[in-house]
Amino acid sequence: QSALTQPASVSGSPGQSITISCTGTSSDIGSYNLVSWYLQHPGKAPKLMIYEGSKRPSGVSNRFSGSKSGNTASLTISGLQAEDEADYYCCSYASSSNVVFGGGTKLTVL
Amino acid sequence: QITLKESGPTLVKPTQTLTLTCTFSGFSLSTSGVGVGWIRQPPGKALEWLALIYWDDDKRYSPSLKSRLTITKDTSKNQVVLTMTNMDPVDTATYYCAHSLYDILTGYSPWYFDYWGQGTLVTVSS
Repeated sequence: QSALTQPASVSGSPGQSITISCTGTSSDIGSYNLVSWYLQHPGKAPKLMIYEGSKRPSGVSNRFSGSKSGNTASLTISGLQAEDEADYYCCSYASSSNVVFGGGTKLTVL
Repeated sequence: QITLKESGPTLVKPTQTLTLTCTFSGFSLSTSGVGVGWIRQPPGKALEWLALIYWDDDKRYSPSLKSRLTITKDTSKNQVVLTMTNMDPVDTATYYCAHSLYDILTGYSPWYFDYWGQGTLVTVSS
């Protein structure tokens, strides 16, 4: 069982927006603005999409955005495209030099 | 251009010690603010952070695996080595190494991994 809770799956049609939630506790997401999000296509390495809650690395589309409220972080993808179909993982610092990941969410583009 | 690549055995027996090497290019672990971490992923399961080493030899470990892990660096070879003792079939996973940063201006780590290796699958079986 992962430390951070994500929905197992979400889906949306091309052009739509979807949001993936990531729920932690006051010891991780709630205490630090150090949430990152990763996209992983099957058989590939994860790719950083969001860091420090809402910052995008160079080269990542502005269709991807991150936010946080209390103990829950969210990743929103607007203007869904076929290539967005992948697994998404959230990650947070969790004090005492520990990092925890979510269980992953499979995004299906219908 | 930053690249990382993992290498090591594909099959280890239970109770054996696993040694994995991450060979990287495009950055130096002697540069302030640079770090390299290890993350693993069992087949069909989630990611799990294992360890992280910084340019100044500061080392961080997952609390749940700390007793079994050792991370070291060889700056001259651009390599980071992870050893994991007492391997068990549940340790079967793809092991990734990844580049990380430490903000020396603010004095804190943002704890994210911006460049990843392709991963190496390690199977633990007798």
